[in-house]
Amino acid sequence: EPEVTQTPSHQVTQMGQEVILRCVPISNHLYFYWYRQILGQKVEFLVSFYNNEISEKSEIFDDQFSVERPDGSNFTLKIRSTKLEDSAMYFCASSELAGGQITGELFFGEGSRLTVL
Amino acid sequence: GDSVTQMEGPVTLSEEAFLTINCTYTATGYPSLFWYVQYPGEGLQLLLKATKADDKGSNKGFEATYRKETTSFHLEKGSVQVSDSAVYFCALSDAGQLTFGKGTLLTVNP
Repeated sequence: EPEVTQTPSHQVTQMGQEVILRCVPISNHLYFYWYRQILGQKVEFLVSFYNNEISEKSEIFDDQFSVERPDGSNFTLKIRSTKLEDSAMYFCASSELAGGQITGELFFGEGSRLTVL
Repeated sequence: GDSVTQMEGPVTLSEEAFLTINCTYTATGYPSLFWYVQYPGEGLQLLLKATKADDKGSNKGFEATYRKETTSFHLEKGSVQVSDSAVYFCALSDAGQLTFGKGTLLTVNP
């Protein structure tokens, strides 16, 4: 069964360092997402990406964050200068575009746990 | 804006007990509603969904009915198993973006 894969599963970094989280979405999906979950809190939307550009982003997704689909396969989330409060589980997701409507059914990866010290 | 409120956990049940996890939502449009499940060490997986009022989503013995009048989508299962132990997330989708509830940890003891 096709699945979304994410790497690394866990990354520990020092405050101020750059971090890149990688995702390989399901191959025929066209919409891509990043969500995050701070320990004990809600899963929060960060950004959606379609047709090689950001289609929607939340207030959390400030200038420190960027996304890229560099090679038609990977979908990356970069945090330019990490802060302690960026420590969270980051989930990548992808979805089909069916009949001009987004079905709302997202397929998630296992998540990348980021710990900022 | 859209929001989802679900029952605070954790919930601990014995095997074969009846499960209800409450979920209510606030949305400006006509959202689709979902339950996602996260088993230990795994990603979020879609458990069931309902796309319009009075629809019932069901999967693996779980059910939830889209109630527009009470803006609810409560998750139920008649007889839980140890393997149902996981975190359950209620979510709504309005034009593709998902808004999640906080998640409810369910532990089922043998």
